[in-house]
Amino acid sequence: QKEVEQNSGPLSVPEGAIASLNCTYSDRGSQSFFWYRQYSGKSPELIMFIYSNGDKEDGRFTAQLNKASQYVSLLIRDSQPSDSATYLCAVILSGGYNKLIFGAGTRLAVHP
Amino acid sequence: GAGVSQSPSNKVTEKGKDVELRCDPISGHTALYWYRQSLGQGLEFLIYFQGNSAPDKSGLPSDRFSAERTGGSVSTLTIQRTQQEDSAVYLCASSSSTAETQYFGPGTRLLVL
Repeated sequence: QKEVEQNSGPLSVPEGAIASLNCTYSDRGSQSFFWYRQYSGKSPELIMFIYSNGDKEDGRFTAQLNKASQYVSLLIRDSQPSDSATYLCAVILSGGYNKLIFGAGTRLAVHP
Repeated sequence: GAGVSQSPSNKVTEKGKDVELRCDPISGHTALYWYRQSLGQGLEFLIYFQGNSAPDKSGLPSDRFSAERTGGSVSTLTIQRTQQEDSAVYLCASSSSTAETQYFGPGTRLLVL
């Protein structure tokens, strides 16, 4: 089992819809969770981080964390074509040195 | 302020040659990380520096890979006797001592012919 798993997609949504991206992790002791956006040919860009169970909202983005079920999700409201990118879920494992363990990423395509 | 910078942005080399990749972290960031992103492996951790020390080198794939950091700032990742499987994008990230959020540089795209 991979430490961080994501559906590779592509996830295709129409402009204006809600895009829902999911991630599961295997280390029950993990405390820190991150979502990065990566455009083709570019480096990862931090979108959100979340440490506590529940929802965290920032503009059109909402991160959701459920430690009991070991999943973290990212919702993008009012999706725009400019949101089309690969979204990487990353986890800091318990007992580590803050190194990020990444999922394979989910490719999101927002079509007009 | 300035973000993480890396050089060169692209590097083409011949199999068997040595290469050096450079990372300049965000000013004041004491933690520095190297990652590698390749098509088959995704984004994987290589090494972590806190100041000039590297307490976690667990991701270095072989003894051909080494890294150092001087003055608590610039870091150099060296790959000796490059192989074609070393072709990837090498990414550097930094974070402050009080935060876990890491900010990535633009990466160095390495192609080994």
